[in-house]
Amino acid sequence: GQQVMQIPQYQHVQEGEDFTTYCNSSTTLSNIQWYKQRPGGHPVFLIQLVKSGEVKKQKRLTFQFGEAKKNSSLHITATQTTDVGTYFCGHTGFQKLVFGTGTRLLVSP
Amino acid sequence: GAVVSQHPSWVICKSGTSVKIECRSLDFQATTMFWYRQFPKQSLMLMATSNEGSKATYEQGVEKDKFLINHASLTLSTLTVTSAHPEDSSFYICSASGLAGYNEQFFGPGTRLTVL
Repeated sequence: GQQVMQIPQYQHVQEGEDFTTYCNSSTTLSNIQWYKQRPGGHPVFLIQLVKSGEVKKQKRLTFQFGEAKKNSSLHITATQTTDVGTYFCGHTGFQKLVFGTGTRLLVSP
Repeated sequence: GAVVSQHPSWVICKSGTSVKIECRSLDFQATTMFWYRQFPKQSLMLMATSNEGSKATYEQGVEKDKFLINHASLTLSTLTVTSAHPEDSSFYICSASGLAGYNEQFFGPGTRLTVL
């Protein structure tokens, strides 16, 4: 599967600021998943979106799947230092998961 | 539930030697396991898909004779890096699915391989 591009590659915010990462595909995706990888750790599943225009929330995290199912976003409200890590989107198809390029988030206290 | 373990967590070896990495699903049966490689500050790249009892399916550009994958049971898959070279140094992560289809993959903690 084609790798999905994420922007930005890296973002450094002050604690309390908001953060958004965007995931863009040139082709329609059947679903989008989001993972968080802490430094030195392994990816941890956050959520899956499957419907066009779907929006899901997990506390300070808001996930959206675009109407055309070609893009997605993850928004974190009022970041905390515990939000530090790399956020990957990914999509499954043909029995495999393909990760996006990732966005590395650094949060300063 | 849904815990995946990997062993070893890190390994240092000399160039030319072979290294075996084990991936185990501890509390569920994993019909499919996946092996990824991650270089520093890069994304995870899928190397191969391993189905229990059958040959692994390798991604384009991954040498199947160099990265031997065996999925002998529903709870164990192994990746052997044969004749390792310094450029094989990387973070190798396995994942497993098998619960309610494919919607979520559970990742092992990873194995950091350093080839001298």
